[in-house]
Amino acid sequence: QKEVEQDPGPLSVPEGAIVSLNCTYSNSAFQYFMWYRQYSRKGPELLMYTYSSGNKEDGRFTAQVDKSSKYISLFIRDSQPSDSATYLCAMGQIYNQGGKLIFGQGTELSVKP
Amino acid sequence: DGGITQSPKYLFRKEGQNVTLSCEQNLNHDAMYWYRQDPGQGLRLIYYSQIVNDFQKGDIAEGYSVSREKKESFPLTVTSAQKNPTAFYLCASSPRDGGYTFGSGTRLTVV
Repeated sequence: QKEVEQDPGPLSVPEGAIVSLNCTYSNSAFQYFMWYRQYSRKGPELLMYTYSSGNKEDGRFTAQVDKSSKYISLFIRDSQPSDSATYLCAMGQIYNQGGKLIFGQGTELSVKP
Repeated sequence: DGGITQSPKYLFRKEGQNVTLSCEQNLNHDAMYWYRQDPGQGLRLIYYSQIVNDFQKGDIAEGYSVSREKKESFPLTVTSAQKNPTAFYLCASSPRDGGYTFGSGTRLTVV
């Protein structure tokens, strides 16, 4: 079993839809959780970063963490064609464990005008 | 502007040849990482370094080598021992308590 599982998609939605992207994990030692967005042929860019269970909102994006269920989600409201990209979840332990992040496989999202 | 610079953007390797991918950061980050990205497999860790003159193997280190002689630089050599090197290579750096900043990647192709 992989430490982090993410539905690879692809996911296609109409403009304005609410998008839900999800990851599950098996390692209860993970303490911080991130979402990255990667456009084609580019490096990933950090979207959201959280340590705690609950919701964190930033504009149209909401990151949700449920440590008891080992489940994280990213919600995108009022999705735009410019949101079309691959979304990667990532998680890690405290820094002196190597600072390594474990990434999901990525979900490819397409938002149609 | 602070960031990570990877070069070259595209690289072609002949069979049996070693090639070196460059990664430079001016973010004053302690840690640096090399990942390989293949379609459908996400990011796989090759090597990482938390401090100058020290580095650790990741999950797929065989056929690769690195050095960390300066805080700003973490070059990756893909050796002839790596039998399937065609991939997108990503370098990243991070502070002690923060997310990664990625470079724009190097696409390596065997010809």
